[in-house]
Amino acid sequence: QQQVKQSPQSLIVQKGGISIINCAYENTAFDYFPWYQQFPGKGPALLIAIRPDVSEKKEGRFTISFNKSAKQFSLHIMDSQPGDSATYFCAASISSGSARQLTFGSGTQLTVLP
Amino acid sequence: DTGVSQDPRHKITKRGQNVTFRCDPISEHNRLYWYRQTLGQGPEFLTYFQNEAQLEKSRLLSDRFSAERPKGSFSTLEIQRTEQGDSAMYLCATKVLAGTGELFFGEGSRLTVL
Repeated sequence: QQQVKQSPQSLIVQKGGISIINCAYENTAFDYFPWYQQFPGKGPALLIAIRPDVSEKKEGRFTISFNKSAKQFSLHIMDSQPGDSATYFCAASISSGSARQLTFGSGTQLTVLP
Repeated sequence: DTGVSQDPRHKITKRGQNVTFRCDPISEHNRLYWYRQTLGQGPEFLTYFQNEAQLEKSRLLSDRFSAERPKGSFSTLEIQRTEQGDSAMYLCATKVLAGTGELFFGEGSRLTVL
């Protein structure tokens, strides 16, 4: 059961452009939505996270937009750089759950052209 | 380097053999998770420990899989009678107990079953 759907599967952006990755979730009990960045041969690393009590969170060039009614959230990377080329995963979890394990999307492979 | 160490990084084995992976967490992290990641997919939850207690297992964790965390420190994940479908990256991740704090992933152990 895929509880977090992510799109697009791959994305190519010119240097300086805006990269946008979208995710949709089904479980309304989710209340923590992180984005992870993964480089080849490495484990995922937390990039930025949001809770549903805010509609937007910005950290540097990275912004999460959250739409609770639509059960959607997105990652915007402003002024994309070649060093941002990686696979990005959205995820969701339930804070009150015993395991609080993350449910991940299927990933977006971002390529930023120089 | 997140501080979560996994060993071995790569393992090639023949079908039917047993393999064991080890995870050394960040020392003060109470919770330890195992995830499996196949090519082009996001990590999938397998199991987690709170200190030495294994509190939840995913349905993905068949009877051939066993995980331990003696003394609440390092953890091992053993796969018995490996099958080609077990080929994947096995990721260990740790966090402190409270809240939905950051989950720190190791670099993973890649298993190839021939």
